[in-house]
Amino acid sequence: SQKIEQNSEALNIQEGKTATLTCNYTNYSPAYLQWYRQDPGRGPVFLLLIRENEKEKRKERLKVTFDTTLKQSLFHITASQPADSATYLCAGWDKIIFGKGTRLHILP
Amino acid sequence: NAGVTQTPKFQVLKTGQSMTLQCAQDMNHNSMYWYRQDPGMGLRLIYYSASEGTTDKGEVPNGYNVSRLNKREFSLRLESAAPSQTSVYFCAIDRGGTEAFFGQGTRLTVV
Repeated sequence: SQKIEQNSEALNIQEGKTATLTCNYTNYSPAYLQWYRQDPGRGPVFLLLIRENEKEKRKERLKVTFDTTLKQSLFHITASQPADSATYLCAGWDKIIFGKGTRLHILP
Repeated sequence: NAGVTQTPKFQVLKTGQSMTLQCAQDMNHNSMYWYRQDPGMGLRLIYYSASEGTTDKGEVPNGYNVSRLNKREFSLRLESAAPSQTSVYFCAIDRGGTEAFFGQGTRLTVV
């Protein structure tokens, strides 16, 4: 079956460093990969979309890459801040299938 | 989460009771979705509707029914609630598969 997998359940990063989250997909080839942020008690909020023919996409301190050979997307937050602490979800197009998410903690 | 409104926000049901979760959008998008989110399980698709008048099963449809009443509204019904249906339910809409907008969620407890 089609799967989106985020390997890390939780990630602790020191404030100011770059946080890197990984998303892998199996058994399908999504035309887009999307990244969402979810805060406790809230619904996910869209952050970035990257298409399969795009290698990299940036938005402010966020950067997403898409490697169709590795079947992987990397999500980077540079100069991380405690306010970046949240759960980050990767999703693939086609009925928007989600990974389980990675809980990111930025330590002051 | 402007644009997608879910009601109710909280609900407690007894086993065997029925209820309908409502979702309404004002963004004029065709596709609407119902997900459930459980600890450690991520978001799992229950049902989706690609357009008014059509619905399809997702990953975990058992125990649920849906109705796409019109373009704005997509409801999720639990006919006979079970404790395994205790979860947070999210309605979402999407713009051609490129960006999803979520409601605030309904926290359902079945006792």
